Amino acid sequence: DGGITQSPKYLFRKEGQNVTLSCEQNLNHDAMYWYRQDPGQGLRLIYYSQIVNDFQKGDIAEGYSVSREKKESFPLTVTSAQKNPTAFYLCASSPDRVNGNQPQHFGDGTRLSIL
Amino acid sequence: GENVEQHPSTLSVQEGDSAVIKCTYSDSASNYFPWYKQELGKGPQLIIDIRSNVGEKKDQRIAVTLNKTAKHFSLHITETQPEDSAVYFCAAKGFRYGKLTFGQGTILTVHP
Repeated sequence: DGGITQSPKYLFRKEGQNVTLSCEQNLNHDAMYWYRQDPGQGLRLIYYSQIVNDFQKGDIAEGYSVSREKKESFPLTVTSAQKNPTAFYLCASSPDRVNGNQPQHFGDGTRLSIL
Repeated sequence: GENVEQHPSTLSVQEGDSAVIKCTYSDSASNYFPWYKQELGKGPQLIIDIRSNVGEKKDQRIAVTLNKTAKHFSLHITETQPEDSAVYFCAAKGFRYGKLTFGQGTILTVHP
């Protein structure tokens, strides 16, 4: 089945620790995105990537980092600089580069909590 | 960048009634408007989308209307069922901004 796989489903971070969230897609999509979702709020864009070895900051990139070494993978690292990391993190992909009008498809998210 | 406002934040209806969720956007050059349904613990799922060259689109019990002059678009669900209960998000893709901006979400509850 084609889709987007996020792992782990639940993740706990200790103070001062970096953690990495995995996102893999087998849809052969060019563009990939990371969003943060907080209760009662919409999705806010952290980082996006239009093509391999390229990525851009979204609206709330501070305290996060990404890489795009392979088309199918777009891992997100939540660094110790992110002081309020508790949230639901969603990865998405779309067939086009960012300025096209193709739908974004989402994974089922990773819930990150502070220990 | 783009700004999207969504109303209401919660909506409660009886099974069989219609439900309407409204969104406004700020960028007059926005040209793509998807709607997503999110169930508890899951990622959002696209249910319908509309592009700026179309005023209305239907898919069975779901329809979306777009008023470019007023810069608002709406989701209409007819003959609601308990399984329609979820959080619904609208979004807009601005031509200048180039990325999707999401509304704050509407919690829809359909009572049997």
